[in-house]
Amino acid sequence: DSGVTQTPKHLITATGQRVTLRCSPRSGDLSVYWYQQSLDQGLQFLIQYYNGEERAKGNILERFSAQQFPDLHSELNLSSLELGDSALYFCASSVGTERETQYFGPGTRLLVL
Amino acid sequence: DQQVKQNSPSLSVQEGRISILNCDYTNSMFDYFLWYKKYPAEGPTFLISISSIKDKNEDGRFTVFLNKSAKHLSLHIVPSQPGDSAVYFCAASARTSGSRLTFGEGTQLTVNP
Repeated sequence: DSGVTQTPKHLITATGQRVTLRCSPRSGDLSVYWYQQSLDQGLQFLIQYYNGEERAKGNILERFSAQQFPDLHSELNLSSLELGDSALYFCASSVGTERETQYFGPGTRLLVL
Repeated sequence: DQQVKQNSPSLSVQEGRISILNCDYTNSMFDYFLWYKKYPAEGPTFLISISSIKDKNEDGRFTVFLNKSAKHLSLHIVPSQPGDSAVYFCAASARTSGSRLTFGEGTQLTVNP
């Protein structure tokens, strides 16, 4: 158990809908990262938050947004969903912004029908 | 553009033998490399890392070798155990890109008893 929790574990929805994925980092970690893993691909970095502020942005679509709250949990919002958004979404956390070890949650599996 | 590549989707070895997983990268700015292991229905788990100032790092049964001139790294597992059966991801980061990780596609390792 990495100490990072993600909810829900599974999500099935329809095209055009909007969903919210939730992540709670390890106790004491201030950085939260979101990654997307599509079928048979590696994890793709989406976005990083540090202590409530956006720190780095990767290949995140404009339809996607994220935020980190004062209690340090983070939410990833996916809107106007398309079939191609079906993927595993992982959250990771680390202590700070340096290149420390990132600890991953179990992921949320999203299926868009 | 796949900056980190794991060319072998799968690898099968006998228990007790050596497992060698390979990874190539193209971005010369990468200077920190990691290996993660992933079991089904779980998030990736950190295994071992290496900085570009080193060419080898060892932790128990796991050794990572870095060949900067060839832009190649490998993970050696000796001796391999059935519990090592998992997907192994190579990841890299560049100081100029903060702490975001760029992942390879993964290699499924199967260790047969």
